[in-house]
Parts: sequence; structure tokens; C-alpha cells
Amino acid sequence: KAGVTQTPRYLIKTRGQQVTLSCSPISGHRSVSWYQQTPGQGLQFLFEYFSETQRNKGNFPGRFSGRQFSNSRSEMNVSTLELGDSALYLCASHAGPDEKLFFGSGTQLSVL
Amino acid sequence: QKEVEQNSGPLSVPEGAIASLNCTYSDRGSQSFFWYRQYSGKSPELIMSIYSNGDKEDGRFTAQLNKASQYVSLLIRDSQPSDSATYLCALRDSGNTPLVFGKGTRLSVIA
Repeated sequence: KAGVTQTPRYLIKTRGQQVTLSCSPISGHRSVSWYQQTPGQGLQFLFEYFSETQRNKGNFPGRFSGRQFSNSRSEMNVSTLELGDSALYLCASHAGPDEKLFFGSGTQLSVL
Repeated sequence: QKEVEQNSGPLSVPEGAIASLNCTYSDRGSQSFFWYRQYSGKSPELIMSIYSNGDKEDGRFTAQLNKASQYVSLLIRDSQPSDSATYLCALRDSGNTPLVFGKGTRLSVIA
């Protein structure tokens, strides 16, 4: 059974640009959660989607957005990038909203 | 604001010893508890889940939960150098809430 696939693995952007990250969950899983991980703050929750609906949203500015498609694949977008957005962005797949989370390899974003 | 507290470490233990990792939390409504292991440069990997007070064993790992005292711990028996990683405690309320993570404890098993 294939795991969680995140693309791209690495990204380098400059301030002011925007970026889109993609996540394909485990087959049959309908929930996707996104987290930002930095050395100082640890894992911070961004959003959770279930069946194309956003169920929860973390305490991040509106520059961070996401969506889920009918095949459960999810994307997150960060507009007007700031230096502080440099982080590892992790997508987690789960069978349902209250089920165990399984993480992808992450996208390492560097903003210069 | 839900808080999950872990000692950042590093916790150093000799090979073959028992490593004890602790986590305390602020929200008495927390119902589901998880331990994740994260190797350097890798993503978190689920190793244990526990939902009821008491102990839950899985191989060399034992998770312990005490809801009255608001703590959850992870014991690793016969620690191996390959257990060296950061261990993340995570928890969730019942119902429609996201999984909240502690900042992790770095474990170093010395051969």
C-alpha cells in the first residue's frame, strides 16, 4: 500500500513569491492534515480537510490556504512568502477525522 | 490554548537501559494520546497510541497514561542506538479537534 506522497521535496523561493505544495494521501484515506515544523516551534497545525471540507484551521495568517479535491489529494498555498515561512511542511493522511495520522516525507521550504 | 509539555533533552541512556520519556498536558478533555518518533531529517512515525488509563505494551515500548495527573509517558526497554531520535507526544480531544504536538524530547542511546 503506497504511503503519503508529498511534492516537491525541496523548494527555494524568494520573499514575496507564492508557493503551492501537494499531498496525496494513503489510498482510502479521506482526511488530510497539514503541519508546519520549525526548530523553535515544533509541529504547528495548519489545516485539516475531510471529504473536500475544511474541518479545522490553525492560527496562521490568511496567506496560508488549502484545499482538498474529490480524490482526497490536497494542496496548500502560501502567498507573499516571508523569511519566517521557511520550514518543513508536513502532510498527514488519516482514514477519518479522529483516526491516527500518518505523515509524508514533507516539503522543505526555504525562503531567501 | 492546549499545551503539551515535554523536556527537550537530550536524554542520554546507555545501550540496554530503559529510556523514560514524559509528557504533561493542560487540557483535561484530552482523550487520545500518541507517541511519534522522528529521526533527524525524516518525518514523524507513529509508534504508539493509548486511550485509557494504565499501561499499553507493544514490543519494547510501553505507553503509560494517567488522566487524573495529566501525564503520558513512553518507556523503551533494552534501548538501542537505533532508538536515538526525537520523540513527540501528541494528543487530541474527543470530537472535532486537531492533533496537538509537544516539541519533542531528543533521546540519545550511547553504545
